[in-house]
Amino acid sequence: EDQVTQSPEALRLQEGESSSLNCSYTVSGLRGLFWYRQDPGKGPEFLFTLYSAGEEKEKERLKATLTKKESFLHITAPKPEDSATYLCAVQAYGATNKLIFGTGTLLAVQP
Amino acid sequence: DAGVTQSPTHLIKTRGQQVTLRCSPKSGHDTVSWYQQALGQGPQFIFQYYEEEERQRGNFPDRFSGHQFPNYSSELNVNALLLGDSALYLCASSLVVGPMDYEQYFGPGTRLTVT
Repeated sequence: EDQVTQSPEALRLQEGESSSLNCSYTVSGLRGLFWYRQDPGKGPEFLFTLYSAGEEKEKERLKATLTKKESFLHITAPKPEDSATYLCAVQAYGATNKLIFGTGTLLAVQP
Repeated sequence: DAGVTQSPTHLIKTRGQQVTLRCSPKSGHDTVSWYQQALGQGPQFIFQYYEEEERQRGNFPDRFSGHQFPNYSSELNVNALLLGDSALYLCASSLVVGPMDYEQYFGPGTRLTVT
C-alpha cells in the first residue's frame, strides 16, 4: 500500500536556525513527490514537484531533495513568516492525479 | 490569473442533512479533485473528475457524490451527514502538460461543521 510518513510531527526553531524536514515514502512506482505549505484554516500552497532521485529544487529559503526512499525539505535561516504546516504527498504511476499525503510537520519559527 | 475558488467558506449543518460544495478550477485546468482534511491530518482523496466523469474514487461511501460541468467547475454533494463528516473540504485542479510537468493547485477550502 502506498504510504507517506513525515517527521518530526512538530519543530520549533529560532529565527536563523536552519533545519530539515523529512518525508519517507513507499509507493509502487513514483510519478512525483510534492511539497505544500499550509497555513491554519487555509488550503495547501504548492511549493515543489520532484520527479526522480537526485533532483533538487529551490525557492527562497526552501530547498527540496529526493532519493529513492525519502525527500527532505531544507529550510535555511528561517524567518517567523515561514511558520506553517508543511505537507508532503506522492503520486504513483497509474493512479491518475490522486495524491497521497502525510500528516505534515508543524513548523514554528520564533523571533 | 484567478486561482482555484471554492464556496461557501464556512457551513454549519445538522446530522442527516445534505450539503453541496462548489469549486471553480484554475484558468485552463480541466481536472478537478476533491479532498477531505480532518483536523491535524493530511488531506484524503475523495474523487476526481475529468471530462465530466468521475475518473477515480478514494475510500469514501456513496453518500459522497460529485459532478463536473462543461466549464470544468465541480460540485461535491454529501448526503445523510454524520458528525464525522466535519472537516475542511479542499478542491484541487490540475493540468497535465507532460510527464515531467505536473502541478496540482488547491483552493482555500470549505469548512463544514456538522452538529
